[in-house]
Amino acid sequence: AQTVTQSQPEMSVQEAETVTLSCTYDTSESDYYLFWYKQPPSRQMILVIRQEAYKQQNATENRFSVNFQKAAKSFSLKISDSQLGDAAMYFCAGNAGGTSYGKLTFGQGTILTVHP
Amino acid sequence: ETGVTQSPTHLIKTRGQQVTLRCSSQSGHNTVSWYQQALGQGPQFIFQYYREEENGRGNFPPRFSGLQFPNYSSELNVNALELDDSALYLCASSRTGRATEAFFGQGTRLTVV
Repeated sequence: AQTVTQSQPEMSVQEAETVTLSCTYDTSESDYYLFWYKQPPSRQMILVIRQEAYKQQNATENRFSVNFQKAAKSFSLKISDSQLGDAAMYFCAGNAGGTSYGKLTFGQGTILTVHP
Repeated sequence: ETGVTQSPTHLIKTRGQQVTLRCSSQSGHNTVSWYQQALGQGPQFIFQYYREEENGRGNFPPRFSGLQFPNYSSELNVNALELDDSALYLCASSRTGRATEAFFGQGTRLTVV
């Protein structure tokens, strides 16, 4: 079983600045994946970035990068050069590999506000 | 926008009634997962269907049931609706195998009165 915890209900950032969203997790699995999803007011969950636990290198996708600290069970998301379109609810999520892939456990979410 | 479509987008039901929500998966995807998202909360896994069979279930009572059809589309059925069933219901489709991405639909907002 997995648990995912986001301790920041809300965060705000100025346009063009950098913001970091925090996430901690707990799992007994050795094979697992971690994700950050974005949910704008349109409600559709959009994958931002994905990290495979066995990969030591932190994942990056354009302006989005993660800081994956496996021993500390920490998985934070850094958004660089923030844009107004980044404003949304962000969810950290995880799932085990193998036959459990696709069965996601989500955190409580962080609302990100971007100020012009 | 993904190829996952859900219907209806909104509906209102009375406590005790039954409801069916529908999901058309993205082309080439054979796995569908359903999630319940209460207002202001993260989604919670209900169950997953793979090749028309239930492939894992979260902590939801048996009155939550589902189906997957040969074209991989899926239904979520909820019997004896309770007020706490009011939520956004999300469907996600994916292919099997490691490192495949789950694509979500826009959800169905269910209100139970």
